[in-house]
Amino acid sequence: DQQVKQNSPSLSVQEGRISILNCDYTNSMFDYFLWYKKYPAEGPTFLISISSIKDKNEDGRFTVFLNKSAKHLSLHIVPSQPGDSAVYFCAASAGTYKYIFGTGTRLKVLA
Amino acid sequence: DAGVIQSPRHEVTEMGQEVTLRCKPISGHDYLFWYRQTMMRGLELLIYFNNNVPIDDSGMPEDRFSAKMPNASFSTLKIQPSEPRDSAVYFCASRPDGTSGALTDTQYFGPGTRLTVL
Repeated sequence: DQQVKQNSPSLSVQEGRISILNCDYTNSMFDYFLWYKKYPAEGPTFLISISSIKDKNEDGRFTVFLNKSAKHLSLHIVPSQPGDSAVYFCAASAGTYKYIFGTGTRLKVLA
Repeated sequence: DAGVIQSPRHEVTEMGQEVTLRCKPISGHDYLFWYRQTMMRGLELLIYFNNNVPIDDSGMPEDRFSAKMPNASFSTLKIQPSEPRDSAVYFCASRPDGTSGALTDTQYFGPGTRLTVL
């Protein structure tokens, strides 16, 4: 039973365009959400997070949007760069340090 | 800081053998997590420790899996006996206590151990 779902296993975007990665969750108790990026043969690294009291958080080229009523969050990367090519994991927690991760979306940014 | 250290990086074993994965967390981190990554299920939390004490092991798939943290700088994940379906990448992660910024601190992952059970 996947509480955090990333329904798109892969995404290809042209360099300079916007990348939009989506994530859905089912547990209404989740109050903190994160995105991690993973390169091959490396561990995931933290990218950006958002608390449930906000609907948007921005860090440079990366913006995370949260729609609590739809139980949906998205990561926007603008502009996309070839170095952004990686697997992106969405994660959620419910007031603890226990993160529930999705299955990941592989982003390929084409030069 | 060297980051989270995991060994071995790759392990190939035969079905029925015992496998031990090792992790050294970042010094000063109070929490340690073990994850398994597969294509079908993504990153699954297996177990996590706080100050060397197991807090939640609900993700451990079977009794064949066990984890220990004998001290603050070392943890093991053991599979005995191993089966082909255990083939995956196993990650260890650590994080500090949230006294500095609560949930704004995050988990720091090691490079993972790729396990193949033939």
